[in-house]
Amino acid sequence: DQQVKQNSPSLSVQEGRISILNCDYTNSMFDYFLWYKKYPAEGPTFLISISSIKDKNEDGRFTVFLNKSAKHLSLHIVPSQPGDSAVYFCAASGTGGGGFKTIFGAGTRLFVKA
Amino acid sequence: DAGITQSPRHKVTETGTPVTLRCHQTENHRYMYWYRQDPGHGLRLIHYSYGVKDTDKGEVSDGYSVSRSKTEDFLLTLESATSSQTSVYFCAISDTGSGGGYTFGSGTRLTVV
Repeated sequence: DQQVKQNSPSLSVQEGRISILNCDYTNSMFDYFLWYKKYPAEGPTFLISISSIKDKNEDGRFTVFLNKSAKHLSLHIVPSQPGDSAVYFCAASGTGGGGFKTIFGAGTRLFVKA
Repeated sequence: DAGITQSPRHKVTETGTPVTLRCHQTENHRYMYWYRQDPGHGLRLIHYSYGVKDTDKGEVSDGYSVSRSKTEDFLLTLESATSSQTSVYFCAISDTGSGGGYTFGSGTRLTVV
């Protein structure tokens, strides 16, 4: 039973347009939600996060939206650039259930076409 | 901006042999994690540490053990490697353990034949 789900394995977007990556979670006890970006043969790198008490966080071209009632978050990239082509992992973290853990989704591969 | 290094980067081993992967950090972070990445599963937590000699299991800990005798080193051991443990292993570090992003190493690609 995946607690964090990214239902789209891949997404293709034209350069300059908006990329929207989606993520759903099941555990209401998560405190933070994060997005990581991963290039081939490299480790994931932290991109942006949002606290469960907020509904939006923005950092340059990247904005994360959180809808707690729907247990859904999304990452918007505007405008998309070819260098954004990578695998994006959604993650959720919290102390529920004993100990602190971060759970990752399966990832969405983004292709930005020039 | 290393801060965290994993060794080896690649390893091929035979079924039934023990294997140890090393994660070394120079950031003096309290928390260290081992994840494995597999297609369709994303990153799954194997074990983590919240201090020297303080470790706990993650969601896929069977067949793995860890040790942390120093702040900077976190070792992952496959007691008797199986083909199902063929994967890419990532180590991560964190100073807060909550909400703040992790810093990941570059990964170790392990093949069990």
